[in-house]
Amino acid sequence: QSALTQPASVSGSPGQSITISCTGTSSDVGSYNLVSWYQQHPGKAPKLVIYGVTKRPSGVSNRFSGSKSGNTASLTISGLQAEDEADYYCCSYAGSSTSVVFGGGTKLTVL
Amino acid sequence: QVQLVQSGAEVKKPGASVKVSCKASGYTFTSYGFTWVRQAPGQGLEWMGWISAYNGNTNYAQKLQGRVTMTTDTSTSTAYMELRSLRSDDTAVYYCARLLTASDAFDIWGQGTMVTVSS
Repeated sequence: QSALTQPASVSGSPGQSITISCTGTSSDVGSYNLVSWYQQHPGKAPKLVIYGVTKRPSGVSNRFSGSKSGNTASLTISGLQAEDEADYYCCSYAGSSTSVVFGGGTKLTVL
Repeated sequence: QVQLVQSGAEVKKPGASVKVSCKASGYTFTSYGFTWVRQAPGQGLEWMGWISAYNGNTNYAQKLQGRVTMTTDTSTSTAYMELRSLRSDDTAVYYCARLLTASDAFDIWGQGTMVTVSS
């Protein structure tokens, strides 16, 4: 069982927006602005798309955005494109003893 | 360009050890740390630990304490992850990634190394 809870799957049509939630606790997501999101296509290494809750690495489309409220972080992808179909994982710092926890992953299907 | 290149696939017997390498290029090696993440077949990502390339300080996942050792060699800009007493449930793709220390995020990833544990 993963430490952070994500929906197993979400779907949307091209051009639409979707949001993936990531629920943790007051010991991880709720205590630190150190949430990151990773996109993983089948057979490929993960790719960083959001870090520090809301920051976007250079080269990542501005269609990707992140937010946080309490113990829940969210990734929003606007203007869905076929290439966005992938697995998405959230990740949070969880203090010095546990250090880092991942979510179980969400499969995004573009209809 | 900035990249991490990992060593090739390994097949090991239960009880053996494996050491995976991760060679960095395109940036100052000691300015960043490394994290190691594994992914069992069809499963999610699991954080294994991290190491500072500056001073060698490490922090391992509690689940792997005693079985994992992470090291770096600044002369060759290479990070290493050794896992001992291998079990079948250690079968996974092992990734190294560069650590953005201030953000606890992993911005550059290696291509992955498949480790299969089978008798």
